[in-house]
Amino acid sequence: DIQMTQSPSSLSASVGDRVTITCRASESVKTYLNWYRVKPGKAPELLIYAVSTLETGVPSRFSGSGTGTDFTLTISSLQPEDFATYYCQQSHSNPLTFGPGTKVDI
Amino acid sequence: QVLESGGGLVQPGGSLRLSCAASGFSFSDYWMSWVRQAAGKGLEWVANTNKDGSAKNYVDSVKGRFTISRDNADNSLYLQMNSLRVEDTALYHCARVADGSGSFDYWGQGTLVTVSS
Repeated sequence: DIQMTQSPSSLSASVGDRVTITCRASESVKTYLNWYRVKPGKAPELLIYAVSTLETGVPSRFSGSGTGTDFTLTISSLQPEDFATYYCQQSHSNPLTFGPGTKVDI
Repeated sequence: QVLESGGGLVQPGGSLRLSCAASGFSFSDYWMSWVRQAAGKGLEWVANTNKDGSAKNYVDSVKGRFTISRDNADNSLYLQMNSLRVEDTALYHCARVADGSGSFDYWGQGTLVTVSS
């Protein structure tokens, strides 16, 4: 199974800050790497798929990069609605696996 | 849109059947998945099925106990859960799988399953 790790596990930030979250896979997932935002009581939202492609309707302050085993999600200017938990996920092979999450709070 | 139902309180060893009603897209053109989240924990993929239901995959912890199925005529996805354990307690989401990337591009709000005596 492919194990996913994320760092940091949590961070504190302010509106307007630039935030970077790192995701690492235990083996290459090629470009099958996706990012989600989860707010309490809401359905998860797909932000980025295939490493760097923004899902339709997602603001351009979100960006993704990386290759193989190491990936990053960057939020260029944090907005109030971005205080949430972020998960990376590999869709390269079953069992599909998520990272443990990064909680972004004030 | 996807809308889950069927959750509830069940004793250990019991069974539940979750349903997911899909609308607004051509259901039979997409793989579908179940993903769960226990309170205070992260997301965990549970199972997926291909477009016609002939292929099914499961996380190891539910193999032999859970069965995913679909009815394309009724635009519905199901999860039959047997031999439930306390550790199966979670919010269960139905999710559409995007072609190509394999990402989960549409999610439901979830249905809560509580396994407790």
